[in-house]
Amino acid sequence: GNSVTQMEGPVTLSEEAFLTINCTYTATGYPSLFWYVQYPGEGLQLLLKATKADDKGSNKGFEATYRKETTSFHLEKGSVQVSDSAVYFCALSGAAGNKLTFGGGTRVLVKP
Amino acid sequence: GAVVSQHPSRVICKSGTSVKIECRSLDFQATTMFWYRQFPKKSLMLMATSNEGSKATYEQGVEKDKFLINHASLTLSTLTVTSAHPEDSSFYICSAVPSGTDTQYFGPGTRLTVL
Repeated sequence: GNSVTQMEGPVTLSEEAFLTINCTYTATGYPSLFWYVQYPGEGLQLLLKATKADDKGSNKGFEATYRKETTSFHLEKGSVQVSDSAVYFCALSGAAGNKLTFGGGTRVLVKP
Repeated sequence: GAVVSQHPSRVICKSGTSVKIECRSLDFQATTMFWYRQFPKKSLMLMATSNEGSKATYEQGVEKDKFLINHASLTLSTLTVTSAHPEDSSFYICSAVPSGTDTQYFGPGTRLTVL
């Protein structure tokens, strides 16, 4: 079956530091890949997505590239802000009715 | 665009009562909606897939008679927790998929506390 593995947190950074959150997946076929962000007490917001190999998703300074050869979709941001403190979830959507398989989530804390 | 709302955002109820949570897609039609449960500091657990006009599909281990799902229109799905108990206390999140796409858009969640 499908699975998503992402690095455990918490990840603590200083403002303006570089952020990387690793995400690897196992899936049959050609899944779509997503990063969602959850701010405290809220639901999930779609951050970015990629639907095929070598696609790069980007939004709000975050980027992730769909790497089929390494089955990865690592999230990066060059200069984080305090407002980026949240939990980040990597997910994939396979062919079966748009069901999402989530990674365990990575909590990021950015300190001023 | 692609806004999903949930109501209520928080609810506290007594053990043994039933609670209904609504999930609405505000600016798109959604043939499919999903219901998740999230425990503190944990990932989301898919409970069921809700399809407009048909019965919901429940994940293994989720009691369909306890968590009643109705998807009566292309913009509304409801989750009713029947005879709630303290162990049902959780954060319930819905998502909706715009027809013809594969992207889920999530509601803000409903925090249920059963006393």
